[in-house]
Amino acid sequence: DTAVSQTPKYLVTQMGNDKSIKCEQNLGHDTMYWYKQDSKKFLKIMFSYNNKELIINETVPNRFSPKSPDKAHLNLHINSLELGDSAVYFCASSQGVYGPTSGNTIYFGEGSWLTVV
Amino acid sequence: QKEVEQNSGPLSVPEGAIASLNCTYSDRGSQSFFWYRQYSGKSPELIMSIYSNGDKEDGRFTAQLNKASQYVSLLIRDSQPSDSATYLCAVMRKTSYDKVIFGPGTSLSVIP
Repeated sequence: DTAVSQTPKYLVTQMGNDKSIKCEQNLGHDTMYWYKQDSKKFLKIMFSYNNKELIINETVPNRFSPKSPDKAHLNLHINSLELGDSAVYFCASSQGVYGPTSGNTIYFGEGSWLTVV
Repeated sequence: QKEVEQNSGPLSVPEGAIASLNCTYSDRGSQSFFWYRQYSGKSPELIMSIYSNGDKEDGRFTAQLNKASQYVSLLIRDSQPSDSATYLCAVMRKTSYDKVIFGPGTSLSVIP
């Protein structure tokens, strides 16, 4: 039973389109994240939610909008896709009120490979 | 200066040797340190965490932390071809909300 699941796994779309990636965790964690990993493998945090509340919002274009309907779900919607948005997007979750604390860890989903053409 | 730095590699070691992976970080207020392993096309998985100065051993893996030098390392003893992966160093800063910052990763190749 997958702990952090995200869909779709692969997504190829044209510039200017709008797309969404969905994420669900069944670990009972309070905190969920979106990370972006570019072609150089650099894993960078985009957003973090705790119990549906946005707590980390890095310097990300406004075209990216996370939505958390409940603490087990964190979806990512991207408007007006650009070539530079091509990357792997990882959803993740962790226990703790304010993200990972001593003894806890971040669990990653399998990633969503987004290619913008 | 980047917040978390690692040698990008690739680092190649023969099977059975010790692989040494290094990481430096810029924020002296960092409190928690992690090593993640990422196989090609897969998601990162935690292999070690360390919170205080010194060494922490888990099987073939040893994490070393030196907060004064802002340095954390991972040693892999008796390296196996299955250890070939990218190793990501991650550091948690204590800000208003805990935030984990990842380094760029070091690619390790263990040669049979």
